[in-house]
Formats: sequence, structure tokens, C-alpha cells
Amino acid sequence: GAGVSQSPSNKVTEKGKDVELRCDPISGHTALYWYRQSLGQGLEFLIYFQGNSAPDKSGLPSDRFSAERTGGSVSTLTIQRTQQEDSAVYLCASSLGSSGGTESYTQYFGPGTRLTVL
Amino acid sequence: GNSVTQMEGPVTLSEEAFLTINCTYTATGYPSLFWYVQYPGEGLQLLLKATKADDKGSNKGFEATYRKETTSFHLEKGSVQVSDSAVYFCALRDYGNNRLAFGKGNQVVVIP
Repeated sequence: GAGVSQSPSNKVTEKGKDVELRCDPISGHTALYWYRQSLGQGLEFLIYFQGNSAPDKSGLPSDRFSAERTGGSVSTLTIQRTQQEDSAVYLCASSLGSSGGTESYTQYFGPGTRLTVL
Repeated sequence: GNSVTQMEGPVTLSEEAFLTINCTYTATGYPSLFWYVQYPGEGLQLLLKATKADDKGSNKGFEATYRKETTSFHLEKGSVQVSDSAVYFCALRDYGNNRLAFGKGNQVVVIP
């Protein structure tokens, strides 16, 4: 089946604008994660969704960042009033979730969205 | 908190050479350990994993053994190819915490 897909693959925006990044997880995966990859900070966890539970937002760097997951599938990461330091590759991953076994939490990543804030 | 440390700097080696990338970790519980690979222009791909002490993960000629006594998960390959040129990330998932903590990554360049 298809892997994790993300769109757009590249996004260039002006400082102060809002952006939305989309993630479509692997079919049947109940857990979804967002990470950020930047030169200075490496790979950082942002947010985690598991089924209908409240998301773990502890990695979001500021209140300009938010994410939703509709219908337990597609997720959107929104960055409001973008700043130059938001420039990075935003990676989405999914896993089977709490269905038991070691495979349930193995994360599979999408190709990422490269965000450039001018 | 949980953290992963990878050796500093890129690794450049000749085709058919032996590759080792060091990875050590700090965790409060009993983590699962992973190696991910990122080929140029692509996303992260799971390379191998190990879920408990003394487990050996292996894939595509790469191996890593979960060493609890030295808190390490070093990646090895006996004979690298040009196609192995990529960035390699070590990561851990601690029990009860679903996020991955990543090392900084090592760029590997294999010269023909």
C-alpha cells in the first residue's frame, strides 16, 4: 500500500503569512506524528496524535504552531505569522498505534515539506 | 530526559570499506532503538531496529546490536557501496513515550 504522503513538497512564503502543511498517513495507522528537521536543531518532535485521545502537543515551539487531525486520518500543521526561524523540513510519520506488539510503534516517515520563509 | 549521541562529523570512505557509526543513548526506561537513513532528496527510511537488550537488528547488510551495559547501538556494515551514501540517524523510543529522540545524524560519503 501507499506510504505516508505530504503536501506540498516545497513551500515558499513571506514572513508574517500563515501556512498549512498536510499529511496523509498510512491506511490503518492510528498514530500520527509531526517532526521538524532544521540545520541547527536536528530532528525535533512537535506533536503526536493517537486515535481519539487528546494530542501530545508538548513539542510545539510556540503558540503560532497548531495541528489538527480530522476523522482520525489526515492531519494539517498550521503555522501562523511565519518567521524566518520557521524555515525547515517538516516531517510527518505514522505508526499502527496501540494495537500491541513492537510493530505498533515503529514510525514510518513521509518525504517531508520544505518550508522557506523569506 | 532521553537523548541520543552520535559521533561528530561526516564519514568518508572508499567502496568496500568497513563502516562503523557510533551511537550511545541516555534513557530513563527500557528504550527501543532504531537506525533511520535519509538518501539525498528523500525522507527518512527505517533501516533497522532492536527492542530489547542483546537484540541485533539487521537489514541490507547493516547490523546494530543493542548493548544495555554500554548504552550503545553502533551501526556497522562490512563492505559499503556508493549507493550507501546517505545521512544516518540513530533514534530511541522510551517505554511509555511515543515520540522518537534522534541523534544529530552522520553523513556518509562512499567514494568509488
